[in-house]
Amino acid sequence: GNSVTQMEGPVTLSEEAFLTINCTYTATGYPSLFWYVQYPGEGLQLLLKATKADDKGSNKGFEATYRKETTSFHLEKGSVQVSDSAVYFCALSGNSGNTPLVFGKGTRLSVIA
Amino acid sequence: ETGVTQSPTHLIKTRGQQVTLRCSSQSGHNTVSWYQQALGQGPQFIFQYYREEENGRGNFPPRFSGLQFPNYSSELNVNALELDDSALYLCASSLGSPRMSSGNTIYFGEGSWLTVV
Repeated sequence: GNSVTQMEGPVTLSEEAFLTINCTYTATGYPSLFWYVQYPGEGLQLLLKATKADDKGSNKGFEATYRKETTSFHLEKGSVQVSDSAVYFCALSGNSGNTPLVFGKGTRLSVIA
Repeated sequence: ETGVTQSPTHLIKTRGQQVTLRCSSQSGHNTVSWYQQALGQGPQFIFQYYREEENGRGNFPPRFSGLQFPNYSSELNVNALELDDSALYLCASSLGSPRMSSGNTIYFGEGSWLTVV
């Protein structure tokens, strides 16, 4: 079945540091890939998505590129801020309509000033 | 603000009791799904409703059941609560069809925190 593996946290960075959170997936066909963010005490918010190979999703300075050859969708940001502290989830949905999301376990990011 | 609202936000139940959680989906969305997020884990898919019919279910026992109403709002019911049911329950809505390609944006509510004691 479909699965997502993301790097274990927690990740602690200083403000303005470069961020990478690794995510790899296993799926049949051509899934869509997502990054969701969960701030403390809140639900999930869609951060970015990519629906086909080589697509780059981007939002709020975050980027991730759908790499089919390496089955990866790593999240990057060039300069993190304290307000980016949250838990980040990589997820995929299958290649037919209305398929549910399969999530990784999440990576907690703490950014210190 | 995703337009998906859930109630109640927090509740405490006793083992063996039953609970009903409610979700109002984003306007115009015909698909609602429910996820369970245990502490420190990623969300796990419970089931999904499309136009009032269940059209997908995760690895959850039958005591987890649901409904979707004509206005596309939804309920999650859990019977015979167990301690391990303590979690954040997330409702998500989207505009979709089984015949569409994947990649529909799915919007989540803030969740209902359930504690079973």
